[in-house]
Amino acid sequence: GAVVSQHPSRVICKSGTSVKIECRSLDFQATTMFWYRQFPKKSLMLMATSNEGSKATYEQGVEKDKFLINHASLTLSTLTVTSAHPEDSSFYICSARRGGRNEQFFGPGTRLTVL
Amino acid sequence: GQQLNQSPQSMFIQEGEDVSMNCTSSSIFNTWLWYKQDPGEGPVLLIALYKAGELTSNGRLTAQFGITRKDSFLNISASIPSDVGIYFCAGHESTDSWGKLQFGAGTQVVVTP
Repeated sequence: GAVVSQHPSRVICKSGTSVKIECRSLDFQATTMFWYRQFPKKSLMLMATSNEGSKATYEQGVEKDKFLINHASLTLSTLTVTSAHPEDSSFYICSARRGGRNEQFFGPGTRLTVL
Repeated sequence: GQQLNQSPQSMFIQEGEDVSMNCTSSSIFNTWLWYKQDPGEGPVLLIALYKAGELTSNGRLTAQFGITRKDSFLNISASIPSDVGIYFCAGHESTDSWGKLQFGAGTQVVVTP
């Protein structure tokens, strides 16, 4: 159990376009999902906390108008990178929290490359 | 932001050797988690710890929740080539109500035959 999927796994786009990344919990309901960004050889950097049916909570320094998060159901959260630029190129990973426990189960990640 | 101190940063070991890494925090945690991440993949949960003093095993992996609630360690016994990867500790601070985790910087493990 506790499988989280992410789609797409890899995306290349032109500067100025928007990219949507989906995160799904496949075998459990996730009231809370998290979005992380990871730079090469670095740890995970939390971008935002997403709760089903409410607005996401963004970490300090993360532009909410650039990284739009929607958590429309208990199994789906989406991250949209709007007007992407090369500096947005990174590895984006989502995770889902199951029940009331603090364990987070991670998706396989999405490699975004902005040309 | 990241507030966990994870060490060592990297380890180069021979197959069959044991590996030990640890994590410390400046605040009290009610949960310690250990993850392994392979290149280009998301982290995979190895062990979850919820009680101070708790010692939990998962195959050749053993982790403990420190009695001060500010530290945890992970041991890998009799390492094999597939143990290669980056191991992250993560903890949940008691005062947080969102379930947010803090992560260590990771320990890169390299196993040579």
